Formats: sequence, structure tokens, C-alpha cells
Amino acid sequence: GQNIDQPTEMTATEGAIVQINCTYQTSGFNGLFWYQQHAGEAPTFLSYNVLDGLEEKGRFSSFLSRSKGYSYLLLKELQMKDSASYLCAEYGGATNKLIFGTGTLLAVQP
Amino acid sequence: GAVVSQHPSRVICKSGTSVKIECRSLDFQATTMFWYRQFPKQSLMLMATSNEGSKATYEQGVEKDKFLINHASLTLSTLTVTSAHPEDSSFYICSSRLVEATQYFGPGTRLLVL
Repeated sequence: GQNIDQPTEMTATEGAIVQINCTYQTSGFNGLFWYQQHAGEAPTFLSYNVLDGLEEKGRFSSFLSRSKGYSYLLLKELQMKDSASYLCAEYGGATNKLIFGTGTLLAVQP
Repeated sequence: GAVVSQHPSRVICKSGTSVKIECRSLDFQATTMFWYRQFPKQSLMLMATSNEGSKATYEQGVEKDKFLINHASLTLSTLTVTSAHPEDSSFYICSSRLVEATQYFGPGTRLLVL
């Protein structure tokens, strides 16, 4: 199986920066996804990292270190609407599956 | 991004009845679709991989005779929960894979079994 670990909950202040970490097993790794999920809704795609390094997309950035089995999602200029669960998911090319972590529930406070 | 629809969005049924959930790729053909289940405050758990024109591949611990999956066309996959029980109450989400690894998710179906 694939063990994907994320913090369960995080709290941050509106306008601030927050980093959500994710660690995963490196065997069979082919890519790392981040999804955002609001309560009662389906996940929406945020980012996909295959190579090491930081990828920036507006207020959201995602980092990957394949040798360390580590990724993080960086959210800048936090807004209240960013309150949601953030799911880290590992793609195993050999298995053709996307396996999700437990998700991090982010609460943005005024 | 690609559009995936699910129907119904919510369903309430009596224990022992069967419920069918449809998942459609509206703007692309998907040879592979995935079915997930999500319990409250938990992450998505992959149930099965649905392959067009062939049998679905189920994850360990998922009963294939209870969760029937049919992928009859490149745009439609169905999940039937047979003889539903209260413990089957959950949020069921499908996804379609467009290119490489990226999956696009449907809006989900909330099932409540009384």
C-alpha cells in the first residue's frame, strides 16, 4: 500500500501564508497531486508535480522532492474562501491509480 | 477542465433496496473511470477502476457483487449499490481520466440508507 501523511487540521489568518506538508512512499511513484475540496463537494484539481522543484500558479504553489518523498502546498494571501480540505494524492503509474491522503482541513480566520 | 456529471446528486433509500448512480464524461471520451467513496471527515477511498468494455477492477475489501459497476460506453459508467444497508451511507464520487494521470471528478452522490 501507499502511506500518505498530512496534518489533519490547520488554522491560518486571512492574508497570511500557509504551507501544508505531505509525505508519501517513494516506491512506484509517478506524480503528486493536490486537490481542494469544500464540504459536500467533489475535489477540484490544484496542481500536479512530476519533477522536483516548485511550481507556482497564482496564489498557490506546490513543491516536490522525490528523493525525500515530500511535497507541500503553499497558499499565499489567504482568503476566507480558501477554507477547505486539501488532499494530497500520489499517482502510481504502474498501478494506474490515484491514492489520496487523509486530507488537511484548513480554517482561515479573519 | 473537463466536465464530469453524476446523477442523482442525493438519494435516500430503504435498507435492502438497490441504488444506481450514473457518471458521465460530458466533453471527452473516457476509457477509464474511477469510483471513490468518502465517509464524513475522511479522505477519498478508491473502490474500483471501471474500464470501458471490460470488467471493473475492485480494490481489496470492496465486494464486487455488492457494488456492481458497468462501463458500457466511453462516456458512461454506472455504480449499483445492491441490497443497500445503513453502513453503505456515504458520499460516492466518480472521476474520469483525460490524459496521463489527471483525473476530473464528478460532483458526487450522497447516499443515505434508512
